[in-house]
Amino acid sequence: GQNIDQPTEMTATEGAIVQINCTYQTSGFNGLFWYQQHAGEAPTFLSYNVLDGLEEKGRFSSFLSRSKGYSYLLLKELQMKDSASYLCACMDSNYQLIWGAGTKLIIKP
Amino acid sequence: DAMVIQNPRYQVTQFGKPVTLSCSQTLNHNVMYWYQQKSSQAPKLLFHYYDKDFNNEADTPDNFQSRRPNTSFCFLDIRSPGLGDAAMYLCATSRDGQGAGYTEAFFGQGTRLTVV
Repeated sequence: GQNIDQPTEMTATEGAIVQINCTYQTSGFNGLFWYQQHAGEAPTFLSYNVLDGLEEKGRFSSFLSRSKGYSYLLLKELQMKDSASYLCACMDSNYQLIWGAGTKLIIKP
Repeated sequence: DAMVIQNPRYQVTQFGKPVTLSCSQTLNHNVMYWYQQKSSQAPKLLFHYYDKDFNNEADTPDNFQSRRPNTSFCFLDIRSPGLGDAAMYLCATSRDGQGAGYTEAFFGQGTRLTVV
């Protein structure tokens, strides 16, 4: 079956760095997405990886290893507004998104 | 500027009373999705359209139906809402890159449905 695993919840301190991991098993692979979702709001797109390696976008970076079925989202210089859920989603061979349940990130002052 | 618009943002309906949620897009994307998301859970795909071709997920209850009269609009009909259908309903769009894969999904603000 198809499966996306990510931690349920993480806590970090304002100004620090946090890494959110995601492992996946899908029927085919056409890329991995990270989305941010604030409570009661829709997900917003953060990053897309389809090749191995690191993609950097400001304070956020995303890494992919296809051979390991593994990705992480790295958030630097954490701000209170980064408190949200972070959803990992893979696009399978049918171009359908398979979603993880999300990692709730709590930022403490 | 909103690109995927869902109305209403909050909807309260009575148990068993039909309700329709709407979604419109200004992105001219050919793929549209309806997701159901309950608290602390992953979005669950209900339907998706590739242009006008309708695709129903195998485990989507018959209580849910969808219409896409044109590229810009899509509707989700819940024929007889039950208490278990209370959730956030998310509409999303993406574009088929014609061999380059689909673009990322763009989401509307969602409609939070309460069943009383």
